Amino acid sequence: QKEVEQDPGPLSVPEGAIVSLNCTYSNSAFQYFMWYRQYSRKGPELLMYTYSSGNKEDGRFTAQVDKSSKYISLFIRDSQPSDSATYLCAMSQAGTALIFGKGTTLSVSS
Amino acid sequence: NAGVTQTPKFRILKIGQSMTLQCTQDMNHNYMYWYRQDPGMGLKLIYYSVGAGITDKGEVPNGYNVSRSTTEDFPLRLELAAPSQTSVYFCASSRLGQLNYGYTFGSGTRLTVV
Repeated sequence: QKEVEQDPGPLSVPEGAIVSLNCTYSNSAFQYFMWYRQYSRKGPELLMYTYSSGNKEDGRFTAQVDKSSKYISLFIRDSQPSDSATYLCAMSQAGTALIFGKGTTLSVSS
Repeated sequence: NAGVTQTPKFRILKIGQSMTLQCTQDMNHNYMYWYRQDPGMGLKLIYYSVGAGITDKGEVPNGYNVSRSTTEDFPLRLELAAPSQTSVYFCASSRLGQLNYGYTFGSGTRLTVV
């Protein structure tokens, strides 16, 4: 079993839809959970950060971590064409480098 | 505010050639990383450094070498290039104890080995 599993999609939704992106992981020692957004031919940029379990909201984006199920989610409300990108989950233990999922490609049509 | 700068942006190498991918950051970050990204495969860690003079292997280090003589620079060396090294290479940096700011990535080097 890979340490971090993420469905690569692609995922296509109409503008205004609610998008749910998910990752599962196997290492119970992971404490730091992040979501990166990567536009085509660009480097990833940090979108959301969560430490341990719980929810975090930033505008139209909500990140959830369920450590008991080893499952993290990113929700995008009122999706926009500008949200079209690849979304990468990433996680780590204290003092170790981030491990990334394969990324989910999202396309939002107007 | 340059952040992380990678050069070159694109390169085509012939099998067996060598090259150095340059990475420099101006944020005084302690930690620096090299990842490679293959289509549909996410980012895989090649090497990382926790400070000048200290480097360590990541998940896929074979065929690569690194050095960290200064805080700012973290070059990645490819010796005897192989087609399997065709990929997009990303350098990133982070500050010790501030993981909540995540990694700052460069814009990548797109390498093709033919």
